[in-house]
Amino acid sequence: EVQLLESGGGLVQPGGSLRLSCAASGFSFSDFAMSWVRQAPGKGPEWVSGISGSGGDIYYVDSVKGRFTISRDNSKNTMKLQMNNLRAEDTAVYYCAKEIVSGGWPLDYWGQGTLVTVSS
Amino acid sequence: QSALTQPASVSASPGQSITISCTGTSSDIGAYNYVSWYQQHPGKAPKLMIYEVSNRPSGVSNRFSGSKSGNTASLTISGLLTEDEADYYCASCTTSSTLVFGGGTKLTVL
Repeated sequence: EVQLLESGGGLVQPGGSLRLSCAASGFSFSDFAMSWVRQAPGKGPEWVSGISGSGGDIYYVDSVKGRFTISRDNSKNTMKLQMNNLRAEDTAVYYCAKEIVSGGWPLDYWGQGTLVTVSS
Repeated sequence: QSALTQPASVSASPGQSITISCTGTSSDIGAYNYVSWYQQHPGKAPKLMIYEVSNRPSGVSNRFSGSKSGNTASLTISGLLTEDEADYYCASCTTSSTLVFGGGTKLTVL
C-alpha cells in the first residue's frame, strides 16, 4: 500500500524557516517524480515544486523560487522541502504527492498534509 | 503562471450528467495532453480522477470522462450520485514544466 507521510509543519514568524519532510513507502520511490502541493485555507491547490525520480530535474512555481528548495534521498525514500524567508501568503496545508506516470505531474497519491502557518 | 479558468459552481440532480470546463492557454492546456482532474471532499486531500486528458486511474468510475479541444479541457460526470458532490479542480502541465491548477468548481448534487 502506497503511503506518504508529511511532517515538519508548524507556526513560524515571517522571515523564518521550516523544513518539511515526506516519508514514502509501498512503491519504488526512485521510479517516480514527486511534488509538493499546498492549499491555503478556503482556496484551491497550488503546485509548489516537483522533482524527478533521480532528483536531477527540479522545478518551482515562480512565487517560491529562491526561497524554497526541494530535495530527495532515494536511499531513505524521503523528500524534503526547505522553506526560507517565509511570508504570510505561504500559510497553507502542504501535501506531498507522487506521479502516476512519468510526465505532466499527474498526482495519484497524496499524503494527509502538514499545516504551515506564517504569522507573528 | 495564471490559474486555469473554471466555473465557480455547477449543480444537477442525481442521475443527470454535467460537464465542467477548464480554460487555459497555448502555454498550458493547448501545449500538451497533460491535463488532469481532481475531486476533493471537505477536509480531504485531492483525488486524481482523470490524467492525460482522458485516462482514468484504476478504481475511478467510468462515469467520469475527460476531453480536450484547443486550450479548453472538460470533465464530464454521467449518472450523478450524491457522493459526487465535491470540489473539482483541473490541472495542466505548462511549457515551463510546472503544474497549474484551476480555481475549482463546486458541484452540488441536488
